[in-house]
Amino acid sequence: EDQVTQSPEALRLQEGESSSLNCSYTVSGLRGLFWYRQDPGKGPEFLFTLYSAGEEKEKERLKATLTKKESFLHITAPKPEDSATYLCAVYQDGSARQLTFGSGTQLTVLP
Amino acid sequence: EPEVTQTPSHQVTQMGQEVILRCVPISNHLYFYWYRQILGQKVEFLVSFYNNEISEKSEIFDDQFSVERPDGSNFTLKIRSTKLEDSAMYFCASSVEREETQYFGPGTRLLVL
Repeated sequence: EDQVTQSPEALRLQEGESSSLNCSYTVSGLRGLFWYRQDPGKGPEFLFTLYSAGEEKEKERLKATLTKKESFLHITAPKPEDSATYLCAVYQDGSARQLTFGSGTQLTVLP
Repeated sequence: EPEVTQTPSHQVTQMGQEVILRCVPISNHLYFYWYRQILGQKVEFLVSFYNNEISEKSEIFDDQFSVERPDGSNFTLKIRSTKLEDSAMYFCASSVEREETQYFGPGTRLLVL
């Protein structure tokens, strides 16, 4: 059973068209939720850490939010350079030294 | 800005051969990790390492794998007898403390023929 599920699998946006990516988790005891960006053939690049429900973090056109069941990555007025795969990962109780990743959302922003 | 580095960036090997993947974690970090990503699949945890010993490992991390911190800067993953299914991107990561953000290196693409 998947513990971290991301949707949609792929998303195509026009430049400037805002949208949200979803990460839902079913782990017992969330110890931290992380968003990463991954470009093709590269390592995950850290974006945000969220530890408790209600927490929000912002960076340029990106904003991450967390509830007790899911996290959203909101992208406002995206640009083509925002095209990448966005990964969600969690620490859970009993496994605080390993991240469990979702499958990612592949975002394409068209000019 | 400090970053995790990995060498080599690409490695091609024959099935049954041994490979060593190298990583230099961020200098003040205490926790080190290896993950792998088979093409088109999720990033999967292999092992975590703290205070010169393995602290957690996954089912993937069987007897063919080993990790070592041979000196104060390097962290290595050894695959003793490679199999075709070991072909993947291998990522090293490090964090200051447990439950803190893990920072990833650029990866080593391993191809087993």
